[in-house]
Amino acid sequence: AQKVTQAQTEISVVEKEDVTLDCVYETRDTTYYLFWYKQPPSGELVFLIRRNSFDEQNEISGRYSWNFQKSTSSFNFTITASQVVDSAVYFCALSEALRSNYQLIWGAGTKLIIKP
Amino acid sequence: EAQVTQNPRYLITVTGKKLTVTCSQNMNHEYMSWYRQDPGLGLRQIYYSMNVEVTDKGDVPEGYKVSRKEKRNFPLILESPSPNQTSLYFCASSRGPMNTEAFFGQGTRLTVV
Repeated sequence: AQKVTQAQTEISVVEKEDVTLDCVYETRDTTYYLFWYKQPPSGELVFLIRRNSFDEQNEISGRYSWNFQKSTSSFNFTITASQVVDSAVYFCALSEALRSNYQLIWGAGTKLIIKP
Repeated sequence: EAQVTQNPRYLITVTGKKLTVTCSQNMNHEYMSWYRQDPGLGLRQIYYSMNVEVTDKGDVPEGYKVSRKEKRNFPLILESPSPNQTSLYFCASSRGPMNTEAFFGQGTRLTVV
């Protein structure tokens, strides 16, 4: 069973629109970490945010905001007033305390296209 | 500048010809890992290392080897590459295994024909 689900394969919006990328996760751990990474067309992976399971406060960083809801096992990412430079593939990932191989479990990614 | 350096960035090879993808980090991180990225699958861990001389399998280790003789280097070895190993590979390092930000290399796009 997939542990991190990013149901939106691709989203296309016009510049300046707000857009939300969904992430639903599955875990039996009480201690876990959630991450978002950005992969621009150049291919590198850029860390955006880390959130631990005990901190449900939403976070805002400039035009980016994250909504963590344990009740729905979701960690959604919103870009406000999108820009062309936001075009990228965005990955949500999960790290569980009980996993023995210490890995990040990744969603399949959402490709975001911002049209000028 | 803190970075993870992978080489080469692009590689086309033939089936069965041994190859090594190098990975080096300058942050004195203990934890390093290798992932492969395939369309629709996200990233999957191949191998990881918690410190020098300590390595273990991830989810998709078949056909790969690694070594960790020095803290900064973590090469990925394909002894006999096959076409199903055509993929985008990433090396990552972090201070700790689970709850810290991972730094990724630029990626190596490998094609096996």
